[in-house]
Amino acid sequence: DIQLTQSPSFLSASVGDRVTITCRASHHIGISLAWYQQKPGKAPKLLIYTASTLQTGVPSRFSGSGSGTEFTLTISSLQPEDFATYNCQQLNSYPLTFGGGTKVEIK
Amino acid sequence: QVQLQESGPGLVKPSETLSLTCTVSGGSISSYYWSWIRQPPGKGLEWLGYIYYTGSTTYNPSLQSRVSISLSSSKNQFSLKLTSVTAADTALYYCARTVSGFYYFDYWGQGTLATVS
Repeated sequence: DIQLTQSPSFLSASVGDRVTITCRASHHIGISLAWYQQKPGKAPKLLIYTASTLQTGVPSRFSGSGSGTEFTLTISSLQPEDFATYNCQQLNSYPLTFGGGTKVEIK
Repeated sequence: QVQLQESGPGLVKPSETLSLTCTVSGGSISSYYWSWIRQPPGKGLEWLGYIYYTGSTTYNPSLQSRVSISLSSSKNQFSLKLTSVTAADTALYYCARTVSGFYYFDYWGQGTLATVS
């Protein structure tokens, strides 16, 4: 199985901050990675797929980059509605797997 | 707008079978893969498997002997059965539409909590 390791697992930030979350894969996966936002009691929301493609309707302050084994999700200017948990998912091979999550909280 | 809604018993006894159904509205079940994903309390997400609209399935090997997914095109529904459950199967269970060829999840249900006790 491909293991995904997210860092940090928790971060505290202020509105307006630039935030970067990293996802590292145990094997090369090309650009086969997606990012999701998850809020308590809500369904996860797709933000980015194939490492850097923004899902329709997702604000442009979200961006993704990387390939191979290292990927990043960047929020250019954190907004109040962005405080949530973010998960990466690899699309490369079975079983499909997720990272452990990064919780973004208000400083 | 595609919407997914999970339904099923919230409480299952150990060693019994967990059965959940996902109803898809706002779009056809055809031409997509349909997945089940779960999240135990305080833990990460785990993909259980998916079914293609043709009926072909792929499961997570960690659960392969206990999991089955089926589909009813006429009802626009797909279902999960997980046999011989234990407390470790207690989780929030999500259904999700899975994009063909890429295998990311673009629409999710709100999730349903299944407790084994």
